[in-house]
Amino acid sequence: DGGITQSPKYLFRKEGQNVTLSCEQNLNHDAMYWYRQDPGQGLRLIYYSQIVNDFQKGDIAEGYSVSREKKESFPLTVTSAQKNPTAFYLCASSMGTPPDTQYFGPGTRLTVL
Amino acid sequence: EDKVVQSPLSLVVHEGDTVTLNCSYEVTNFRSLLWYKQEKKAPTFLFMLTSSGIEKKSGRLSSILDKKELFSILNITATQTGDSAVYLCAVMGSGAGSYQLTFGKGTKLSVIP
Repeated sequence: DGGITQSPKYLFRKEGQNVTLSCEQNLNHDAMYWYRQDPGQGLRLIYYSQIVNDFQKGDIAEGYSVSREKKESFPLTVTSAQKNPTAFYLCASSMGTPPDTQYFGPGTRLTVL
Repeated sequence: EDKVVQSPLSLVVHEGDTVTLNCSYEVTNFRSLLWYKQEKKAPTFLFMLTSSGIEKKSGRLSSILDKKELFSILNITATQTGDSAVYLCAVMGSGAGSYQLTFGKGTKLSVIP
């Protein structure tokens, strides 16, 4: 089955800890994205990557970091510098240059205790 | 700065009603407009619109784009309880040489029996 997987589904973290969210796709898509969604808000772009070993900051990159060592994988680290990390995190991917339709994974709900 | 505004923010209708959801936008170098349906988790893709005046249809859902007036509408006829969801509008521009989706806050549709 082709698709985008995210893990874990739910994640709890203590304040001051870094945590890494996984995103994997087997769609052979070149571009991958991370979004954050808060209640009553649209999706806001954190980071995106159009090719392996390259990524760009989105609108709200502060307190987050990413890597893109493999085409299939785009993990997101939420660092202790992120002031309000509790949110729903969505990963997406798209193909083509330039990319158009983005397809989303099931999301990870992060709660900071 | 790219901007997408959806209206209304929420809507409650009875089964069988027809609804129209609105999306207006301001974006640098417009490329496409996308509609997604989000039921609790991952947004699922509905339509991508690139040309003015051409209606896209899928069953009871249809959408049209007006590039002159910078808006799109999503119509749902004969609504069913399964249509209850948040409908997201997103616009892709190509400002600054990159291709990013900017999302609206969504319209929450509730269909009651």
